[in-house]
Amino acid sequence: QQPVQSPQAVILREGEDAVINCSSSKALYSVHWYRQKHGEAPVFLMILLKGGEQKGHEKISASFNEKKQQSSLYLTASQLSYSGTYFCGTEFYNQGGKLIFGQGTELSVKP
Amino acid sequence: KAGVTQTPRYLIKTRGQQVTLSCSPISGHRSVSWYQQTPGQGLQFLFEYFSETQRNKGNFPGRFSGRQFSNSRSEMNVSTLELGDSALYLCASREREYRDEQFFGPGTRLTVL
Repeated sequence: QQPVQSPQAVILREGEDAVINCSSSKALYSVHWYRQKHGEAPVFLMILLKGGEQKGHEKISASFNEKKQQSSLYLTASQLSYSGTYFCGTEFYNQGGKLIFGQGTELSVKP
Repeated sequence: KAGVTQTPRYLIKTRGQQVTLSCSPISGHRSVSWYQQTPGQGLQFLFEYFSETQRNKGNFPGRFSGRQFSNSRSEMNVSTLELGDSALYLCASREREYRDEQFFGPGTRLTVL
C-alpha cells in the first residue's frame, strides 16, 4: 500500500533538473508532495487530484497519470534551497483523509 | 494565521512509562493527523481525526491512542513505552476532510531510555 518513490537519492549541480517519481499499486484519490529539510517539518509543495485539478507552489510542477497511478515531481533549474528529502503521499478512495507516504527521495544540490 | 503547534517539543521517558503529546491545529482546520517519523521507517501514519471522530488508523499497536476535542485540538497517548517508540511525532492539520493540503507542526522528539 505504501507508494514507491524513485530514485532514493539524487545529487545535482545548481541549475540542473531532476524528476522524482511516485508509484502506487492502488487507485489514487490524490497525490501530495512535501519537502523536508533536516531538522524541520515537512512543507507542502503540491497536491494533484484525480480529474486533473492541482494546487501548489508556482515554481513547482508535477504530473499525475491516473491510468498508471503514477506521479512525477519536476524540479527545474535547481537551486541550493531545493536540497532536502521529498516525500509523496497518497490518498485512496475508500480511505479519504489517510495519507500514506513513500520512503522519500533525498535530493542534494551542490554549488 | 498561526501555524500548527505541538507541545512539548522534546521529551525523555523511560521504558514502561506513558506519554501524552498535544497538537493545536491551524484555526479553522478540523482534520488532524498524526505521524511517526524514524530514520529507518520514514513517515508512518498513526491516525486521523475529523470533527472529534477517528476516521482512519494506521498499523500501530493499541498502545498508541488519540483523541480530538471540540476545539479541534488533538492529543496522542502512548502507553507502556518501548525503546522502539523513540521517534519524531508529527501532527498535521487541514481544513477539509480529504484531498486537501496538510500543514505540519514542528513535531515532538520523544526519546525512550
